[in-house]
Amino acid sequence: YVLTQPPSVSVAPGQTASITCEGNNVGSKSVHWYQQKPGQAPVLVVFDDNDRPSGIPERFSGSNSGNTATLTISRVEAGDEADYYCQVWDDSSDHPVFGGGTTLTVL
Amino acid sequence: QVQLQESGPGLVKPSETLSLICSVSGGSISGYFWSWIRQPPGKGLEGIGYIHYSGSTTYNPSLKSRVIISVDTSKNQFSLKLSSVTAADTAVYYCARLNTMYNWFDPWGQGILVTVSS
Repeated sequence: YVLTQPPSVSVAPGQTASITCEGNNVGSKSVHWYQQKPGQAPVLVVFDDNDRPSGIPERFSGSNSGNTATLTISRVEAGDEADYYCQVWDDSSDHPVFGGGTTLTVL
Repeated sequence: QVQLQESGPGLVKPSETLSLICSVSGGSISGYFWSWIRQPPGKGLEGIGYIHYSGSTTYNPSLKSRVIISVDTSKNQFSLKLSSVTAADTAVYYCARLNTMYNWFDPWGQGILVTVSS
């Protein structure tokens, strides 16, 4: 199973960033999103398509339908600059699958 | 809150075995699944495998022949052994808890860079 993300997304501060994650019928799976800042470990920001762990701002939200899942970051801040990875579970291999990652640049 | 910390050698010679330990603090290792994930420099994330506190394991099919993951509940630790390493195994290795409701990873350790070089 393959997840495809755009390599990069750029957005101005205060605007909305949308990062997509494409996979065959990904809408039937539960999608999770991680934020990774340089030199740091990934941090879960959205799980099960659109739920947020405690401590994650409401500005982070997700959606998932058809062949595309989307992480949306509203009112983008400079501190949101990071790599973002989507992840699903591949039932055939009983193993996780990660997207290739998207670098979010705040202009 | 649960915290994870990886430890082990940062340099391994080609053809040798990479060995890492993940120490879990702030909570018990019992009752959960625990995993290893790696990230080659400048690249994306790859799952290596995971283990239930009871000891049952599942490995990435592409690494299965070289990987052993084990758990020591008395020490609240689990470990990774990757044999016959090559330069392609150079990566930051993370340990993380696998939440099996819908299979996401949280929390993660800080990661440890392991370089394979003679």
